[in-house]
Amino acid sequence: AQSVAQPEDQVNVAEGNPLTVKCTYSVSGNPYLFWYVQYPNRGLQFLLKYITGDNLVKGSYGFEAEFNKSQTSFHLKKPSALVSDSALYFCAVRDTSNTDKLIFGTGTRLQVFP
Amino acid sequence: NAGVTQTPKFQVLKTGQSMTLQCAQDMNHEYMSWYRQDPGMGLRLIHYSVGAGITDQGEVPNGYNVSRSTTEDFPLRLLSAAPSQTSVYFCASSYTRGTGNTGELFFGEGSRLTVL
Repeated sequence: AQSVAQPEDQVNVAEGNPLTVKCTYSVSGNPYLFWYVQYPNRGLQFLLKYITGDNLVKGSYGFEAEFNKSQTSFHLKKPSALVSDSALYFCAVRDTSNTDKLIFGTGTRLQVFP
Repeated sequence: NAGVTQTPKFQVLKTGQSMTLQCAQDMNHEYMSWYRQDPGMGLRLIHYSVGAGITDQGEVPNGYNVSRSTTEDFPLRLLSAAPSQTSVYFCASSYTRGTGNTGELFFGEGSRLTVL
């Protein structure tokens, strides 16, 4: 079955430090990968995506993600965290057997401390 | 810029009651979908639609009905609510479907439903 795993329920980081939120995937064929962010009491917002090409993709709010095919990973990164980055982050992959569907991970809560 | 609008934002039901969660988008999106969000479960797809008059089941469709009579609207109906349907529901839409769907979903603000 196709799936996405986010192994950390929560990531804590001090403001100004680099952050990484991990995601691994399992799909057949070429993956389309995504990151979304959810602020408290809000809907999800698209951050970035990998379709093809450069393994390092840049997105909104200074976030970037690195696609690693051999490790089947798509980790979200930011060089310098802000307190305002504190939110719930979801990794997602397009279902290759039904391209109308996105499969979401369980989410990782990022807490950035002043 | 209304985007995706969901109503109501909060609702409390008793077991066995019925209700409809409304979703409307003003972006002329072909694709619309409903997800539920539960702690530790992430988002799970309930139903989706690739255009007016077309609907299909997602991962957790039981207990829910949908229809798509217009491009703009995609209501989600609970015919006989159960406590297991207590959740936060999100409607989402996107420009394209199928192989053209690059996954950039636009989400509503969510509807928090409690079934007693």
